[in-house]
Amino acid sequence: DSGVTQTPKHLITATGQRVTLRCSPRSGDLSVYWYQQSLDQGLQFLIQYYNGEERAKGNILERFSAQQFPDLHSELNLSSLELGDSALYFCASSVELAGGQETQYFGPGTRLLVL
Amino acid sequence: DAKTTQPPSMDCAEGRAANLPCNHSTISGNEYVYWYRQIHSQGPQYIIHGLKNNETNEMASLIITEDRKSSTLILPHATLRDTAVYYCIVRVNLSNTGKLIFGQGTTLQVKP
Repeated sequence: DSGVTQTPKHLITATGQRVTLRCSPRSGDLSVYWYQQSLDQGLQFLIQYYNGEERAKGNILERFSAQQFPDLHSELNLSSLELGDSALYFCASSVELAGGQETQYFGPGTRLLVL
Repeated sequence: DAKTTQPPSMDCAEGRAANLPCNHSTISGNEYVYWYRQIHSQGPQYIIHGLKNNETNEMASLIITEDRKSSTLILPHATLRDTAVYYCIVRVNLSNTGKLIFGQGTTLQVKP
């Protein structure tokens, strides 16, 4: 158990719909990362938040957005869903140590199926 | 961040050491080598990381060549539960983002 929790574990929805994925980081971790893993693209970085502020963006679609709340939990919002958005979505959290070293701990993921 | 090259798959007998190689010939001086693994669609799990010295923890050992252009992850006594995809990632620790760039990794199959 990494200490990172994600809900829901599974989500089935239809094209055109909107869903929200939730992530609770490990206690004390300020950074939250979102990754997408699909069969054809592998694990891809989407976006990072640090203490409530967006820090880095990866290959995140404009239909997707995220935020990190004052209690440090994060939500990933996916809208106008398409079949190709079906994937595993992972959240990871980390704390920065001295010297810039950092270890990311991943949650169990949310499996999204768009029909 | 430097690119890495790993063999797509490897087999290992249970109880034997598993040695997983990684090439990172374009690594620069401030880039660390990280290893993660993913067991069957679970969240990736951190294993170990290092800069230039060899590192060991309760899970594995990391051997980095003197020129830092390649490294080897060693699982000293592989078990069936070590069957997973292993990712070698090179990353600058002092950047303003800790994003990880995953390649295709090596699928390690531990056989009885």
